[in-house]
Amino acid sequence: TQLLEQSPQFLSIQEGENLTVYCNSSSVFSSLQWYRQEPGEGPVLLVTVVTGGEVKKLKRLTFQFGDARKDSSLHITAAQPGDTGLYLCAGFPAAGNKLTFGGGTRVLVKP
Amino acid sequence: EAGVAQSPRYKIIEKRQSVAFWCNPISGHATLYWYQQILGQGPKLLIQFQNNGVVDDSQLPKDRFSAERLKGVDSTLKIQPAKLEDSAVYLCASSFRSYGYTFGSGTRLTVV
Repeated sequence: TQLLEQSPQFLSIQEGENLTVYCNSSSVFSSLQWYRQEPGEGPVLLVTVVTGGEVKKLKRLTFQFGDARKDSSLHITAAQPGDTGLYLCAGFPAAGNKLTFGGGTRVLVKP
Repeated sequence: EAGVAQSPRYKIIEKRQSVAFWCNPISGHATLYWYQQILGQGPKLLIQFQNNGVVDDSQLPKDRFSAERLKGVDSTLKIQPAKLEDSAVYLCASSFRSYGYTFGSGTRLTVV
């Protein structure tokens, strides 16, 4: 079992629709990060959230860290084909210093 | 600034052969990581270096995998002998501090 569980594993939507990706754990994290990975490339850091309840916005992307620092969500408004990719959450457990990744959510935005 | 450089981009080998991957981190980044990403999964940490010392290699299969970071800059990851289940993308990342990992494009290894 993975420390970080992402859902759904795959999401296919039409351009202009909204989507939400979830990242859940039974463990507390000192911080959580979201990455996007495109085929043939390494993950690229989108955001880091460190405070329980924190909300960060990056253009059409909204990231939220749960109050208990055990979960996070990524919401994309009016998705575009350029948003297509593998979205990975990763976190530093409160008791540890090793960045641990979730299994990823593959997002396909069709024009 | 230049990113994390990795080579080769692709490698196909037969099982039981050996293979080596190379990584050049961002200049000034003391911490270097090797991750293994199997198709459809998130990256899994294999080994973490701080300068030229190993910080964490708890998930490195030491009977066949080895890694070194001479002089605290470049790093190589070797697999000998390779197994079919080693087919994956091997990602190198570096960071100045714990946050803000920068990943290379990875090496896609296929073992046949």
